[in-house]
Amino acid sequence: KNEVEQSPQNLTAQEGEFITINCSYSVGISALHWLQQHPGGGIVSLFMLSSGKKKHGRLIATINIQEKHSSLHITASHPRDSAVYICAALPHSNYQLIWGAGTKLIIKP
Amino acid sequence: DTGVSQDPRHKITKRGQNVTFRCDPISEHNRLYWYRQTLGQGPEFLTYFQNEAQLEKSRLLSDRFSAERPKGSFSTLEIQRTEQGDSAMYLCASSFSGRGADTQYFGPGTRLTVL
Repeated sequence: KNEVEQSPQNLTAQEGEFITINCSYSVGISALHWLQQHPGGGIVSLFMLSSGKKKHGRLIATINIQEKHSSLHITASHPRDSAVYICAALPHSNYQLIWGAGTKLIIKP
Repeated sequence: DTGVSQDPRHKITKRGQNVTFRCDPISEHNRLYWYRQTLGQGPEFLTYFQNEAQLEKSRLLSDRFSAERPKGSFSTLEIQRTEQGDSAMYLCASSFSGRGADTQYFGPGTRLTVL
């Protein structure tokens, strides 16, 4: 079993829909990253969370440390949001991110 | 642009040749990481520097791979005698180790194709 699990693996939605991507982890962490990767490779850091909730534009990330679960939400989704979204956990006293497998999101116009 | 930069963005080489990639981190960042990502997979950790010291190397990093960060600023990753299995996206990230966890900022990557 992977230490970081994401769901769903693939998600296709219509423009405007509310999107939720989930991430569960089994290790103790000091923080959790959400990252976005567009076709062609570049990875962009979206959020780093230690607790609670963060919001940036139409993106919202939440984390529940007790339940070892985080979610990434996209409101009013748009085709340009189409990308792979990856969660990566930073374990305590370690620098090596443990990566989820990614969620491939396609937003249709 | 003050983000992480990588050069070149694309490299096509023949099997057996040596290649070298460069990463320029965000200027005040003391930590630098190299990852490798193959098609359809998540990034795999390769190595990590704190300032100029290489503190960790993954078992994935064979003897053909070497990384340096001579002055604690930019870093180079060299692959000697390239093999087709080395074809991948090589990602660099940097962070600042202050209090608490540090956010890694990623460069655009260097896509290597070994023919």
